[in-house]
Amino acid sequence: QSALTQPPSASGSPGQSVTISCTGTSSDVGAYNYVSWFQQHPDKAPKLIISDVNKRPSGVSDRFSGSKSGNTASLTVSGLQADDEADYYCSSYAASHSYVFGTGTKVTVL
Amino acid sequence: QLQLQESGPGLAKPSETLSLTCAVSGGSVTITNWWSWVRQSPGRGLEWIGEIHLDGRTNYNPSLQNRVIISMDKSKNQLSLTLISVAAADTAVYYCTRESGAFTPFGYWGQGTLVTVSS
Repeated sequence: QSALTQPPSASGSPGQSVTISCTGTSSDVGAYNYVSWFQQHPDKAPKLIISDVNKRPSGVSDRFSGSKSGNTASLTVSGLQADDEADYYCSSYAASHSYVFGTGTKVTVL
Repeated sequence: QLQLQESGPGLAKPSETLSLTCAVSGGSVTITNWWSWVRQSPGRGLEWIGEIHLDGRTNYNPSLQNRVIISMDKSKNQLSLTLISVAAADTAVYYCTRESGAFTPFGYWGQGTLVTVSS
């Protein structure tokens, strides 16, 4: 059960958009529409921002959106704001009642 | 508002058995079906440890299943994580989480508890 692959870093200027990829296999991301995304600020617990590939929990800004194509899921943060600077992780349901996380991406707002 | 509070010894010695607790307040553990444990090593990513259903069923990360036990005490409204024969690689912040939907086990998180394994 290998971690999903994310780019180590991404950046953008305020107001711009940034997209983070999350690449898995046909046994996890490609097999199920159960991809979630989390935002984690320093020394804080992760926070769910996207579930089921593209669903936003109540209270999460619509500047966050998710999608999936094949074995790769993506998170787009539009209209970057200073508070979006954080680490972002994806996760996916995998076979046999297990879950796997991504390697994490540090987003910097320039 | 349901709150999750992890607690543990803070420091453990190599080869010891680690026991962590997740106390649920503001509601009952029966509010949701699946509860999970996740850990994060310093400066590293997240790792799913395992999950438990209200009916006692468990699923574990294959890489840890020989050393981990997750249990639930409904009368005490808490979860427990037991990790056997710990090593330095088990140093991490340990989080308990509860689901917010089907196949969304990490909907709500506790604040986490840091465990350092060192002699």
